[in-house]
Amino acid sequence: EVHLVESGGGLVQPGGSLRLSCAASGLSFNTYTMTWVRQAPGKGLEWISYIIGSGQSIYYADSVRGRFTVSRDNAKNSLFLQMNNLRDEDTAVYYCAGEPAPGARWGQGTLVTVSS
Amino acid sequence: DIQMTQSPSTLSASVGDIVTITCRASRSISIWLAWYQQKPGNAPKLLIYRASSLESGVPSRFSGSGSGTDFTLTINSLQPDDFATYYCQQYVSQSWTFGQGTKVEI
Repeated sequence: EVHLVESGGGLVQPGGSLRLSCAASGLSFNTYTMTWVRQAPGKGLEWISYIIGSGQSIYYADSVRGRFTVSRDNAKNSLFLQMNNLRDEDTAVYYCAGEPAPGARWGQGTLVTVSS
Repeated sequence: DIQMTQSPSTLSASVGDIVTITCRASRSISIWLAWYQQKPGNAPKLLIYRASSLESGVPSRFSGSGSGTDFTLTINSLQPDDFATYYCQQYVSQSWTFGQGTKVEI
């Protein structure tokens, strides 16, 4: 069974940095396009980024481009989201998920709070 | 970027009803559309991919249709477990986007 577990969330001051991780199991990780999605409190889903299986191509939403960096370590079945220059509006639950394809699963999410 | 517009934003329904949610893309996305269900405090769950393909394990009362710019999620005979928020998502471009969500409530 596919299982995704995010970690690394927490409280950070505006302008600070945080690195989220997503540990995957139960799938051929290096063949999957993975995505990061966030959800601000009481709001809808916002797509942030996706990275193809090889890691060769990565795409970002305008709201995070230049501040967030996605990477993956296929040897360790792990996905990462490096978040720099964080803003109040980045406060959200961050989910890692497989692309919208058969068997796609989402992690339980990790909360990032940006506040002074 | 492709904009996704869902309607309605909120829908009041009863158990046994047939429910229809629509999603419109600002330009053609062929069939690259997914539907998700989210319950409070939980992660979204994939229901439909490629506009009309039912994800394994999802009840057959859920169905998706459409192509190009106009899509529909239909729930036949609404069940108590179906009261939730539903999102569409396009994934044709290098910038994926979600609709704003439709809350199905009693």
